[in-house]
Amino acid sequence: AQSVTQPDIHITVSEGASLELRCNYSYGATPYLFWYVQSPGQGLQLLLKYFSGDTLVQGIKGFEAEFKRSQSSFNLRKPSVHWSDAAEYFCAVGAKENNDMRFGAGTRLTVKP
Amino acid sequence: ETGVTQSPTHLIKTRGQQVTLRCSSQSGHNTVSWYQQALGQGPQFIFQYYREEENGRGNFPPRFSGLQFPNYSSELNVNALELDDSALYLCASSLAGAGAVIGTQYFGPGTRLLVL
Repeated sequence: AQSVTQPDIHITVSEGASLELRCNYSYGATPYLFWYVQSPGQGLQLLLKYFSGDTLVQGIKGFEAEFKRSQSSFNLRKPSVHWSDAAEYFCAVGAKENNDMRFGAGTRLTVKP
Repeated sequence: ETGVTQSPTHLIKTRGQQVTLRCSSQSGHNTVSWYQQALGQGPQFIFQYYREEENGRGNFPPRFSGLQFPNYSSELNVNALELDDSALYLCASSLAGAGAVIGTQYFGPGTRLLVL
């Protein structure tokens, strides 16, 4: 079965600085990869997804992610962070062969003024 | 287009009781998945319903059961509640063809369950 690791539990960046959140997955075939964001007490909002094709994926709110098969990674990036980006970010991996979407433990982003 | 809705928003139960949580899928979606998110953790897949049948299940005991209705809305039922069942329960809907889900899942706001 597929699995996801988010190595960073908590990241703090200054407003206006760049951001990269790491995600590593384990799956034998081509995975379906997702990044979701969750504000406190809320459900999950989809930022972007990768199914196939171009390995650099653009999402909402200025986020992008790059699928690197050789590194089994799908890191999320943003060139300039806004205070409203403070939230919990989850990477998830799905597979065509099953319906079990696996989530990482999440990375909590704090934005300093 | 209406999004995914869940009810109730919050619920308090005591150990041993039973609970039913409800989810209305996004219009046009035919598949509903349920997740349990304990405090400080990522969501854990409970099960999925497609065309009113269970279409995949995670590592949860049989006291977690569900239903999907002809309008694609869904219920999650948990019997014999335990303290560890306290969590945020998330419902997600998607559009899938026959077989495995390849559609993107859209999440509702969740139901926060506290078991005392």
